[in-house]
Amino acid sequence: GESVGLHLPTLSVQEGDNSIINCAYSNSASDYFIWYKQESGKGPQFIIDIRSNMDKRQGQRVTVLLNKTVKHLSLQIAATQPGDSAVYFCAALSYNTDKLIFGTGTRLQVFP
Amino acid sequence: DGGITQSPKYLFRKEGQNVTLSCEQNLNHDAMYWYRQDPGQGLRLIYYSQIVNDFQKGDIAEGYSVSREKKESFPLTVTSAQKNPTAFYLCASSIWGQGGEQYFGPGTRLTVT
Repeated sequence: GESVGLHLPTLSVQEGDNSIINCAYSNSASDYFIWYKQESGKGPQFIIDIRSNMDKRQGQRVTVLLNKTVKHLSLQIAATQPGDSAVYFCAALSYNTDKLIFGTGTRLQVFP
Repeated sequence: DGGITQSPKYLFRKEGQNVTLSCEQNLNHDAMYWYRQDPGQGLRLIYYSQIVNDFQKGDIAEGYSVSREKKESFPLTVTSAQKNPTAFYLCASSIWGQGGEQYFGPGTRLTVT
């Protein structure tokens, strides 16, 4: 079946460094991707999205890169701050359904 | 403020009892979703609804039921048939058919003992 997976369950970075969280998806029909941030005990919050006709999109301190050839996307967080500590999920949506498939999440820990 | 509300935040029930989780949205979204989240796992889809009075099973619908009598509301009932009901339940909504972002509520943590 369709799956979305993240490469590392936990990522530890020092405050001020850049963070890179990776995600792989299996369905080549996936055409829309979202990164969510989830803080403990809360619902996921939208960070950034990207459609399959793009390979890069930038937001405030965040960049998402999409490589459709290898079915991989990444989230880059610049100058990571303590408030960035959370679990990050990628999700993929196919053009023939409107169901998001979520990855298992990467916990980002930021140390001073 | 527009958004999705879920209540209660924490819910405790005895085994064998049915329990209903509330989800309300004022975003005027057609589509609503229920997910279950367990530690170390991604979100798994329980049920979703594209329009009032219609809903479809997701990947793990067994032991759950839903209704969609109003656009704004999509309550989830966890029945006694659900073998492992203790989990964090998340409700979401989106504009159906546009392949866009799903907006999530704050979640309800259900503990069944």
